[in-house]
Amino acid sequence: DQQVKQNSPSLSVQEGRISILNCDYTNSMFDYFLWYKKYPAEGPTFLISISSIKDKNEDGRFTVFLNKSAKHLSLHIVPSQPGDSAVYFCAASAGAQKLVFGQGTRLTINP
Amino acid sequence: DTAVSQTPKYLVTQMGNDKSIKCEQNLGHDTMYWYKQDSKKFLKIMFSYNNKELIINETVPNRFSPKSPDKAHLNLHINSLELGDSAVYFCASSQYRDTYGYTFGSGTRLTVV
Repeated sequence: DQQVKQNSPSLSVQEGRISILNCDYTNSMFDYFLWYKKYPAEGPTFLISISSIKDKNEDGRFTVFLNKSAKHLSLHIVPSQPGDSAVYFCAASAGAQKLVFGQGTRLTINP
Repeated sequence: DTAVSQTPKYLVTQMGNDKSIKCEQNLGHDTMYWYKQDSKKFLKIMFSYNNKELIINETVPNRFSPKSPDKAHLNLHINSLELGDSAVYFCASSQYRDTYGYTFGSGTRLTVV
Protein backbone atom coordinates (compact mmCIF):
# COMPACT_ATOMS: atom_id res chain seq x y z
CA ASP A 1 0.00 0.00 0.00
CA GLN A 2 1.43 3.35 -1.07
CA GLN A 3 0.98 5.92 1.66
CA VAL A 4 2.37 8.79 -0.38
CA LYS A 5 1.33 9.28 -3.99
CA GLN A 6 2.24 11.70 -6.72
CA ASN A 7 -0.32 11.13 -9.43
CA SER A 8 1.33 13.20 -12.14
CA PRO A 9 4.38 11.38 -13.51
CA SER A 10 5.41 14.44 -15.51
CA LEU A 11 4.80 18.16 -15.83
CA SER A 12 5.95 20.63 -18.46
CA VAL A 13 6.03 24.38 -17.69
CA GLN A 14 7.19 27.46 -19.55
CA GLU A 15 10.19 29.27 -18.13
CA GLY A 16 9.11 32.13 -15.89
CA ARG A 17 5.69 30.64 -15.13
CA ILE A 18 4.57 28.87 -11.98
CA SER A 19 5.16 25.13 -11.50
CA ILE A 20 2.77 23.31 -9.17
CA LEU A 21 3.57 19.79 -8.07
CA ASN A 22 1.04 17.80 -6.08
CA CYS A 23 1.22 15.02 -3.52
CA ASP A 24 -1.44 13.07 -1.61
CA TYR A 25 -1.00 10.92 1.48
CA THR A 26 -3.17 8.48 3.38
CA ASN A 27 -1.51 8.12 6.79
CA SER A 28 -2.99 10.63 9.24
CA MET A 29 -0.04 10.00 11.59
CA PHE A 30 2.36 11.79 9.25
CA ASP A 31 3.53 14.97 10.94
CA TYR A 32 6.38 16.15 8.77
CA PHE A 33 6.50 16.53 5.01
CA LEU A 34 9.41 17.15 2.68
CA TRP A 35 10.20 17.69 -0.96
CA TYR A 36 13.35 16.29 -2.51
CA LYS A 37 14.79 17.12 -5.91
CA LYS A 38 16.69 14.63 -8.03
CA TYR A 39 18.87 15.15 -11.09
CA PRO A 40 19.80 12.20 -13.36
CA ALA A 41 22.53 9.92 -12.00
CA GLU A 42 22.42 11.70 -8.63
CA GLY A 43 20.70 10.97 -5.34
CA PRO A 44 17.72 13.00 -4.12
CA THR A 45 18.60 16.23 -2.33
CA PHE A 46 16.48 18.01 0.26
CA LEU A 47 14.56 21.05 -1.03
CA ILE A 48 11.97 22.24 1.47
CA SER A 49 9.87 20.88 4.33
CA ILE A 50 6.79 21.65 6.39
CA SER A 51 5.56 20.57 9.78
CA SER A 52 1.96 19.47 10.22
CA ILE A 53 1.34 22.41 12.56
CA LYS A 54 1.79 24.79 9.63
CA ASP A 55 -0.07 25.18 6.35
CA LYS A 56 2.59 27.05 4.41
CA ASN A 57 6.37 27.34 4.28
CA GLU A 58 8.37 29.54 1.94
CA ASP A 59 11.99 29.48 0.89
CA GLY A 60 12.85 31.84 -1.92
CA ARG A 61 11.12 30.70 -5.11
CA PHE A 62 9.78 27.57 -3.41
CA THR A 63 6.61 27.37 -1.33
CA VAL A 64 5.03 24.26 0.13
CA PHE A 65 1.35 24.22 1.07
CA LEU A 66 -0.23 21.63 3.35
CA ASN A 67 -3.95 20.86 3.49
CA LYS A 68 -4.33 18.37 6.34
CA SER A 69 -8.05 17.87 5.94
CA ALA A 70 -7.55 16.84 2.33
CA LYS A 71 -4.27 15.02 3.11
CA HIS A 72 -2.69 16.95 0.29
CA LEU A 73 0.42 18.99 -0.16
CA SER A 74 1.79 20.95 -3.06
CA LEU A 75 5.05 22.56 -4.08
CA HIS A 76 4.95 25.86 -5.93
CA ILE A 77 7.98 27.11 -7.83
CA VAL A 78 7.80 30.67 -9.10
CA PRO A 79 9.27 31.79 -11.36
CA SER A 80 10.33 28.47 -12.88
CA GLN A 81 13.86 28.31 -14.25
CA PRO A 82 15.55 25.80 -16.60
CA GLY A 83 17.69 24.54 -13.72
CA ASP A 84 14.50 23.45 -11.95
CA SER A 85 14.08 20.63 -14.49
CA ALA A 86 14.42 17.49 -12.37
CA VAL A 87 12.39 14.77 -10.68
CA TYR A 88 10.65 15.96 -7.51
CA PHE A 89 9.84 13.51 -4.73
CA CYS A 90 7.34 14.15 -1.98
CA ALA A 91 8.13 12.44 1.34
CA ALA A 92 6.52 12.16 4.76
CA SER A 93 7.37 10.86 8.21
CA ALA A 94 5.51 10.05 11.42
CA GLY A 95 7.24 10.87 14.69
CA ALA A 96 10.64 11.39 13.02
CA GLN A 97 10.75 7.80 11.89
CA LYS A 98 11.57 6.64 8.39
CA LEU A 99 10.82 8.78 5.36
CA VAL A 100 8.08 7.44 3.08
CA PHE A 101 8.44 8.66 -0.49
CA GLY A 102 6.12 9.08 -3.43
CA GLN A 103 7.05 7.97 -6.94
CA GLY A 104 8.20 11.35 -8.15
CA THR A 105 7.09 13.88 -10.76
CA ARG A 106 9.41 14.78 -13.62
CA LEU A 107 9.35 18.55 -14.12
CA THR A 108 10.54 19.99 -17.42
CA ILE A 109 10.98 23.75 -17.77
CA ASN A 110 10.80 24.87 -21.38
CA PRO A 111 12.65 28.00 -22.52
CA ASP B 1 34.71 15.14 -1.29
CA THR B 2 31.62 12.92 -1.64
CA ALA B 3 29.43 12.85 1.48
CA VAL B 4 27.68 9.51 0.81
CA SER B 5 29.40 7.28 -1.70
CA GLN B 6 28.14 4.03 -3.12
CA THR B 7 30.03 1.46 -5.16
CA PRO B 8 29.57 0.24 -7.76
CA LYS B 9 27.46 2.74 -9.67
CA TYR B 10 26.32 0.08 -12.14
CA LEU B 11 26.10 -3.67 -11.62
CA VAL B 12 25.02 -6.18 -14.25
CA THR B 13 24.90 -9.79 -13.14
CA GLN B 14 23.26 -13.10 -13.88
CA MET B 15 20.39 -14.67 -11.99
CA GLY B 16 21.51 -16.78 -9.10
CA ASN B 17 24.68 -14.83 -8.39
CA ASP B 18 25.56 -13.18 -5.07
CA LYS B 19 26.59 -9.52 -5.09
CA SER B 20 27.36 -6.70 -2.68
CA ILE B 21 26.88 -2.95 -2.79
CA LYS B 22 29.02 -0.81 -0.52
CA CYS B 23 28.13 2.51 1.10
CA GLU B 24 30.24 4.92 3.10
CA GLN B 25 29.43 8.32 4.60
CA ASN B 26 31.85 10.94 5.90
CA LEU B 27 29.26 13.24 7.49
CA GLY B 28 29.58 11.87 11.00
CA HIS B 29 25.95 10.70 10.91
CA ASP B 30 24.89 7.88 13.20
CA THR B 31 22.10 6.40 11.07
CA MET B 32 22.25 4.85 7.60
CA TYR B 33 19.57 3.55 5.27
CA TRP B 34 19.04 1.47 2.16
CA TYR B 35 16.23 2.49 -0.19
CA LYS B 36 15.10 0.71 -3.33
CA GLN B 37 13.62 2.54 -6.30
CA ASP B 38 11.41 0.01 -8.01
CA SER B 39 10.02 -0.13 -11.53
CA LYS B 40 7.11 2.10 -10.51
CA LYS B 41 9.68 4.68 -9.32
CA PHE B 42 8.67 4.63 -5.64
CA LEU B 43 11.57 5.00 -3.24
CA LYS B 44 10.97 2.34 -0.59
CA ILE B 45 12.97 1.89 2.58
CA MET B 46 14.55 -1.50 3.08
CA PHE B 47 16.76 -1.19 6.16
CA SER B 48 18.01 1.33 8.66
CA TYR B 49 20.95 1.07 11.04
CA ASN B 50 21.69 3.32 13.99
CA ASN B 51 25.18 3.03 15.44
CA LYS B 52 25.62 -0.37 13.80
CA GLU B 53 22.31 -1.69 15.15
CA LEU B 54 19.41 -2.64 12.90
CA ILE B 55 16.40 -0.42 13.71
CA ILE B 56 14.22 -0.76 10.60
CA ASN B 57 13.78 -3.94 8.62
CA GLU B 58 10.93 -3.69 6.16
CA THR B 59 9.40 -6.68 4.42
CA VAL B 60 12.43 -7.60 2.41
CA PRO B 61 13.36 -11.13 1.28
CA ASN B 62 15.99 -12.65 3.56
CA ARG B 63 18.23 -12.94 0.50
CA PHE B 64 19.04 -9.31 1.31
CA SER B 65 21.40 -8.91 4.24
CA PRO B 66 22.72 -5.54 5.38
CA LYS B 67 25.99 -5.33 7.26
CA SER B 68 27.28 -2.34 9.20
CA PRO B 69 30.89 -2.80 10.33
CA ASP B 70 30.87 0.71 11.82
CA LYS B 71 28.54 3.70 11.80
CA ALA B 72 30.17 5.14 8.66
CA HIS B 73 29.54 2.04 6.54
CA LEU B 74 26.44 0.12 5.54
CA ASN B 75 26.83 -2.60 2.94
CA LEU B 76 24.08 -4.56 1.21
CA HIS B 77 24.65 -8.18 0.28
CA ILE B 78 22.18 -9.95 -1.99
CA ASN B 79 22.16 -13.72 -2.40
CA SER B 80 20.68 -15.72 -5.26
CA LEU B 81 19.78 -12.69 -7.35
CA GLU B 82 16.44 -12.73 -9.16
CA LEU B 83 15.17 -10.73 -12.14
CA GLY B 84 12.85 -8.78 -9.83
CA ASP B 85 15.82 -7.46 -7.87
CA SER B 86 16.68 -5.21 -10.81
CA ALA B 87 16.29 -1.66 -9.49
CA VAL B 88 18.23 1.38 -8.35
CA TYR B 89 19.43 1.09 -4.76
CA PHE B 90 20.13 4.26 -2.79
CA CYS B 91 22.09 4.55 0.40
CA ALA B 92 21.41 7.48 2.73
CA SER B 93 22.54 8.76 6.10
CA SER B 94 21.25 11.14 8.78
CA GLN B 95 21.38 11.86 12.46
CA TYR B 96 18.98 9.56 14.29
CA ARG B 97 15.32 10.69 13.92
CA ASP B 98 16.35 13.69 11.83
CA THR B 99 14.19 13.11 8.76
CA TYR B 100 15.03 16.65 7.69
CA GLY B 101 18.65 15.79 7.13
CA TYR B 102 18.80 12.70 4.92
CA THR B 103 21.78 12.76 2.55
CA PHE B 104 21.60 10.30 -0.30
CA GLY B 105 24.25 8.61 -2.36
CA SER B 106 24.01 8.71 -6.14
CA GLY B 107 22.57 5.22 -6.40
CA THR B 108 23.57 1.81 -7.73
CA ARG B 109 21.71 0.54 -10.78
CA LEU B 110 21.46 -3.23 -10.48
CA THR B 111 20.44 -5.20 -13.55
CA VAL B 112 19.86 -8.92 -13.23
CA VAL B 113 19.85 -10.82 -16.53
